Amino acid sequence: NAGVTQTPKFRILKIGQSMTLQCTQDMNHNYMYWYRQDPGMGLKLIYYSVGAGITDKGEVPNGYNVSRSTTEDFPLRLELAAPSQTSVYFCASRDPGQGDQPQHFGDGTRLSIL
Amino acid sequence: GENVEQHPSTLSVQEGDSAVIKCTYSDSASNYFPWYKQELGKRPQLIIDIRSNVGEKKDQRIAVTLNKTAKHFSLHITETQPEDSAVYFCAAEGYSSASKIIFGSGTRLSIRP
Repeated sequence: NAGVTQTPKFRILKIGQSMTLQCTQDMNHNYMYWYRQDPGMGLKLIYYSVGAGITDKGEVPNGYNVSRSTTEDFPLRLELAAPSQTSVYFCASRDPGQGDQPQHFGDGTRLSIL
Repeated sequence: GENVEQHPSTLSVQEGDSAVIKCTYSDSASNYFPWYKQELGKRPQLIIDIRSNVGEKKDQRIAVTLNKTAKHFSLHITETQPEDSAVYFCAAEGYSSASKIIFGSGTRLSIRP
């Protein structure tokens, strides 16, 4: 299994541009998450999903959108990039079955808005 | 919603000594508490977790304790080694918001030789 795969690894955007951060997992996990991590800071939950067709806001959803059309994929969309969105973005997945299970993280996408 | 506070933000200990990191949570119904280690430029990696029906769990040099009454949990690392230097995050999953996992702000642990 590849686990959680995020693309791209790095990206530089201009203010006002849009882009989609891709996340896919091959573990058949129902739960998926997007976090952002600013330099020297903790992880803030942006959006999460408990299954295909279901998404919900986390702590810092403003400026982002998500969709969950399949179990495997959970893309994160930035519509109008702003400098405040410069961060490292981590996607994670989790299997809710058989009690509490830990999250599996991707390697992250380092995004700079200039 | 769930809020997780973590202390201290930085911690420096002599190699071989113990390190303790503490977290408090706000949702009294929270039932799952993982701890992650993140090395520079890498993804967070789970090191230990504890469920609400357990007061303590140990894995070699790492232990976690949970006090549900006080709503706090702690990570204990004994006989620290240079490779323990990293940022450590606690997290909590709220029962009232099942599946939503909120992280603490992190502790940068440095091991002095």
